[in-house]
Amino acid sequence: GAVVSQHPSWVICKSGTSVKIECRSLDFQATTMFWYRQFPKQSLMLMATSNEGSKATYEQGVEKDKFLINHASLTLSTLTVTSAHPEDSSFYICSAITPNQPQHFGDGTRLSIL
Amino acid sequence: KQEVTQIPAALSVPEGENLVLNCSFTDSAIYNLQWFRQDPGKGLTSLLLIQSSQREQTSGRLNASLDKSSGRSTLYIAASQPGDSATYLCARGGSQGNLIFGKGTKLSVKP
Repeated sequence: GAVVSQHPSWVICKSGTSVKIECRSLDFQATTMFWYRQFPKQSLMLMATSNEGSKATYEQGVEKDKFLINHASLTLSTLTVTSAHPEDSSFYICSAITPNQPQHFGDGTRLSIL
Repeated sequence: KQEVTQIPAALSVPEGENLVLNCSFTDSAIYNLQWFRQDPGKGLTSLLLIQSSQREQTSGRLNASLDKSSGRSTLYIAASQPGDSATYLCARGGSQGNLIFGKGTKLSVKP
């Protein structure tokens, strides 16, 4: 079964709406969670690295004020896309790791902004 | 800039054929090299992970090799089946667990 749960799997909303995506590790404590974004026919691109209890580290070109990441516990990280616009439409996917274990990915969230 | 390139972008083969997917990366100082499978609209399934000190890993019909000096990795799939149809992603792993992905190879295995 899934070891990383990502919710929701699909979101359609109006431009200007803020959208929150949750990523949960189900049976392990994730020391680090990653957020990736994938545009059609493109690679998954790392957006940010999230460690529990500390501020996320964002990749170059990713707006930290637009993509708010909260990693309040060892099993939950959230990504909030604030004031989403059509260009933010993409496939967002999280992953979680713990030392000496394989990295596990969620099933992703398809975000469509109208 | 660290880059990962996968060739071919798409591949269609008849069932039963053996095939090779190629991956190249620009920085030989990698931590590990990973291969994933992605089904349409789905997340990623880890297939094989090769540590930088290793040359290859095997799992069932899959074999992945790593040549750091040439910056290349290959994924070999033996006796392909229609259920193998998916996009295969190669990713260069960093010491913190972060991954740099290629664009993938879309594989179609025809019955």
